[in-house]
Amino acid sequence: RKEVEQDPGPFNVPEGATVAFNCTYSNSASQSFFWYRQDCRKEPKLLMSVYSSGNEDGRFTAQLNRASQYISLLIRDSKLSDSATYLCAVKEDTGRRALTFGSGTRLQVQP
Amino acid sequence: DGGITQSPKYLFRKEGQNVTLSCEQNLNHDAMYWYRQDPGQGLRLIYYSQIVNDFQKGDIAEGYSVSREKKESFPLTVTSAQKNPTAFYLCASSIDHDPTRTQYFGPGTRLLVL
Repeated sequence: RKEVEQDPGPFNVPEGATVAFNCTYSNSASQSFFWYRQDCRKEPKLLMSVYSSGNEDGRFTAQLNRASQYISLLIRDSKLSDSATYLCAVKEDTGRRALTFGSGTRLQVQP
Repeated sequence: DGGITQSPKYLFRKEGQNVTLSCEQNLNHDAMYWYRQDPGQGLRLIYYSQIVNDFQKGDIAEGYSVSREKKESFPLTVTSAQKNPTAFYLCASSIDHDPTRTQYFGPGTRLLVL
């Protein structure tokens, strides 16, 4: 079983739709959680951190469920510019502190 | 501008050749990382360094080597022992002492085998 798993998609949604992605992680020692956005042939860019109480940034909402070991990303009112691959990443509070990434979920917003 | 730079953007390697990918940051970050990304896949950790003159193997270190002689620089050498080097290589850095702080990435280097 992979440490961090995501549905690869693609998720094809019309403009204005609401779409949600989940990401499950296997290591209960994971301490910090993040969503990155990666455009085609570009580097990942931080979209948002995920806090225990859930957090919102404009049209984006991230949530963490420690009991079930998953994080989620909700995008409301999808824009064409939201089309990208969304990577979740988890970080252990151990000596390594490197991020472990999921394989990404591809979103295609259609006009 | 503060940030992470990687060079070259594209790199071609011949059979049996060692090549070195550059990564420089001026963010004063302690920790630096190298990841490899294959098409349709997530990022896999090659090497990381949390302090100057120290580095550790990641999950797929075989066929790679690194050095950390300066805080701002973390070059990666892809040796001839790496039999499948074609991939997108990403360097990242972070403030290491705060685990809630995430990593920021350079623009990447695409390595292709001739």
